Parts: sequence; structure tokens; C-alpha cells
Amino acid sequence: DVKVTQSSRYLVKRTGEKVFLECVQDMDHENMFWYRQDPGLGLRLIYFSYDVKMKEKGDIPEGYSVSREKKERFSLILESASTNQTSMYLCASSSTGRPRAETQYFGPGTRLLVL
Amino acid sequence: GQSLEQPSEVTAVEGAIVQINCTYQTSGFYGLSWYQQHDGGAPTFLSYNALDGLEETGRFSSFLSRSDSYGYLLLQELQMKDSASYFCAVSSGGYQKVTFGTGTKLQVIP
Repeated sequence: DVKVTQSSRYLVKRTGEKVFLECVQDMDHENMFWYRQDPGLGLRLIYFSYDVKMKEKGDIPEGYSVSREKKERFSLILESASTNQTSMYLCASSSTGRPRAETQYFGPGTRLLVL
Repeated sequence: GQSLEQPSEVTAVEGAIVQINCTYQTSGFYGLSWYQQHDGGAPTFLSYNALDGLEETGRFSSFLSRSDSYGYLLLQELQMKDSASYFCAVSSGGYQKVTFGTGTKLQVIP
């Protein structure tokens, strides 16, 4: 079974803090993604990576950065957390080959509250 | 850019059939996926259509019309456990990028 794990289920941070969210997958997937999920807005792509040390901006990258030093690990960094970054953060991975790249496997999510 | 439209909420009776529609606008379209998400849970993959027509997987079927930029998810013999949010998602462009819709919350009632 594909397993995607995220470092925390719940996180409370203060405005201005630097926040690290970590994601690890164990299926040797090439692609990894970070989304945020807000009520009524669905899943919005923040950043994705298709290879080690490679990254691409998604639809809402402002205020975020990412790091992928190893294939299995993809980190999301909030350089200076703000209250509008309070959200559920979901990590996902997919393979370039079979199964189809469109099959994304999600982690359990990290619910971040910024005070 | 990409945009997807799906109804925000649908209510259906246990044992019935429900269809959740999705229309999309995108360039470089590859295919349409569907995901299920229970409250408090992670999205899980249900189906994928790259070609026109119907794909069936047990009680769930998914349909795609590329010419109409339209697809739907059909759930048959509804069960209470099918109460969840359902997201359509388009694959387009390069790098296996997937864009999700805003989701349809399905409530199954007795």
C-alpha cells in the first residue's frame, strides 16, 4: 500500500513564525504536491515537484516555499506565518509511470492554526 | 488557466442513484479524475477518464465527453457510507499537474 505521512496532524503557530510541514512517501514516486484546502474553495495547489531538487509553482505559491532534497521527502515552508494561512494542508504523491500520474495518493493532512 | 464547476451539494436517498456533474475549461487537457473525501479524511482516488465514454468500477461509474468538456460520476445503490465530498480534477499541461474542483458534498439519507 502507498503510504504518505505528514509530520503533524495539528499545529498551532504564532504570526511571524517560520513553519515547516514535512511529507514523506514510501512508494518511490517522482511527483509530490502540496495543497491547501479551505471550505468552499476545494484543493488549491501551492507547489509541486517532479524530481529531486526540482519545484514548480502551483496556483497559490505566495507566502510559501518548498524543499525536496530527497525523493521521498517534500517540505512546505511558511517563511513568516500569517493568519490567512490558517488552513488544512495536504501532501500528495504520484508516479510518472503506472499507475497513471493522475492517481494521487494523499497524506492525512495537517490542520494549521496561525494565531 | 483551468476552471471546473460542480454542484456544491447533493442529497439522495439510500439505495438510489445519483449523478454528480463536472464541467471544465482548460488547455492541454489529458483527462478527468474523481476523488472521494470523507469528513476529516484524506481524498482518495476513485476513477480516471482520458477517453470519451463510461468507465465502471463496481457501484461507481465515471463518464467523459471531451467535445463537451463535461464529465460525471454516477453512484448506484447508494449507501450511507457514500456520504462524503466528491471532487473532479483535470490533468493538463506538463508535469502531471492536477487541478481540483471545489467539491460536491453528497448527503445520503435513509
